[in-house]
Amino acid sequence: AQKVTQAQTEISVVEKEDVTLDCVYETRDTTYYLFWYKQPPSGELVFLIRRNSFDEQNEISGRYSWNFQKSTSSFNFTITASQVVDSAVYFCALSGAGSGYGGSQGNLIFGKGTKLSVKP
Amino acid sequence: KAGVTQTPRYLIKTRGQQVTLSCSPISGHRSVSWYQQTPGQGLQFLFEYFSETQRNKGNFPGRFSGRQFSNSRSEMNVSTLELGDSALYLCASSLDPRRTEAFFGQGTRLTVV
Repeated sequence: AQKVTQAQTEISVVEKEDVTLDCVYETRDTTYYLFWYKQPPSGELVFLIRRNSFDEQNEISGRYSWNFQKSTSSFNFTITASQVVDSAVYFCALSGAGSGYGGSQGNLIFGKGTKLSVKP
Repeated sequence: KAGVTQTPRYLIKTRGQQVTLSCSPISGHRSVSWYQQTPGQGLQFLFEYFSETQRNKGNFPGRFSGRQFSNSRSEMNVSTLELGDSALYLCASSLDPRRTEAFFGQGTRLTVV
């Protein structure tokens, strides 16, 4: 079975602190994709990053960085020098490849999300 | 370029009624997926459509159905509403099912009373 676990339900930090959001996944597929989405209070999910299972290179985008480790089935997300605007719920997701219909990847399996509050 | 548009944004229905939600994908996108978000269950996949065909379906009862039109717009329908159907329903569009970058709409907040 495929599963995504975000053990941290809520995190509160003070502005300019670094914060890491944890994500652990389970899948039997050899080819899969991992994602992070941000959900601000307005409700829409904002795409942050996609990583495929064959690319374990870490990625940095501005203040955001991601650490993908297949050995521990983890795909952690770090925000450096957090800002109040980073306050949101963050979701880690796994593509449902191999779930039928020719490996369609429109089916995302989400973790429960981590609510990040950044205080000024 | 317009984003994913979901209508209506808010809806209040009574138990036993049925409801239809609409999603207009980004222009040129042909794949549409639907998700239900509740505080208890989180985000759960409902179904995925591509070129008017349902490609994948989540673990929801038959009261939940959907369809996609030739212009890629999609609707989902929930019949015989239950209190537990109260949720934020999110639609996501992508160019096609192989493109795993999906863009989400702001959702329809359904309240069943």
